[in-house]
Amino acid sequence: DVKVTQSSRYLVKRTGEKVFLECVQDMDHENMFWYRQDPGLGLRLIYFSYDVKMKEKGDIPEGYSVSREKKERFSLILESASTNQTSMYLCASTLGQSEQYFGPGTRLTVT
Amino acid sequence: SQQGEEDPQALSIQEGENATMNCSYKTSINNLQWYRQNSGRGLVHLILIRSNEREKHSGRLRVTLDTSKKSSSLLITASRAADTASYFCATAAQGGSEKLVFGKGMKLTVNP
Repeated sequence: DVKVTQSSRYLVKRTGEKVFLECVQDMDHENMFWYRQDPGLGLRLIYFSYDVKMKEKGDIPEGYSVSREKKERFSLILESASTNQTSMYLCASTLGQSEQYFGPGTRLTVT
Repeated sequence: SQQGEEDPQALSIQEGENATMNCSYKTSINNLQWYRQNSGRGLVHLILIRSNEREKHSGRLRVTLDTSKKSSSLLITASRAADTASYFCATAAQGGSEKLVFGKGMKLTVNP
């Protein structure tokens, strides 16, 4: 059974903190994605990675960075969390242009 | 950049009825996919239809694609309360990019 896991389901952080969200997939997929989901805005792509150490900005990369040191792991980093980064964060992986497999999501609250 | 737009944005039906959701998009695509999201969870892939296909079935799901109108529809037949969820269409652009562009989603409520 394919699996994408995310490090936390719920997270509460303070403004200015550095936040790490981690995603792990066990399907040997080369492509991994980070999205944020907000009411009325749907899913918006933050960053994606098409190989180890390779990354590409999505639609809303400002305030975020990513790291992919190993094929199975893709981390999203909020260098200095702000309240407008309160959101649901979803990680996904895929092979080519086929279906994306999603993790359960991390609901981040920044206070 | 949002491309897919689902219509209607919300739909409420009775169990046993059929539910039809529509998606329109703007640019040429390689494939179009539909996903379901139960409240507060990740998305689950339902079905993928390629640009050279017109119709596809999977269980109680039927998807059509009209590339001339840049639109797709998802039909769920004999709906169940468990089908209550948000549904998203997503497009993979022609040219081979692995990125998908998701619509804003639509909320389906199936009343028992």
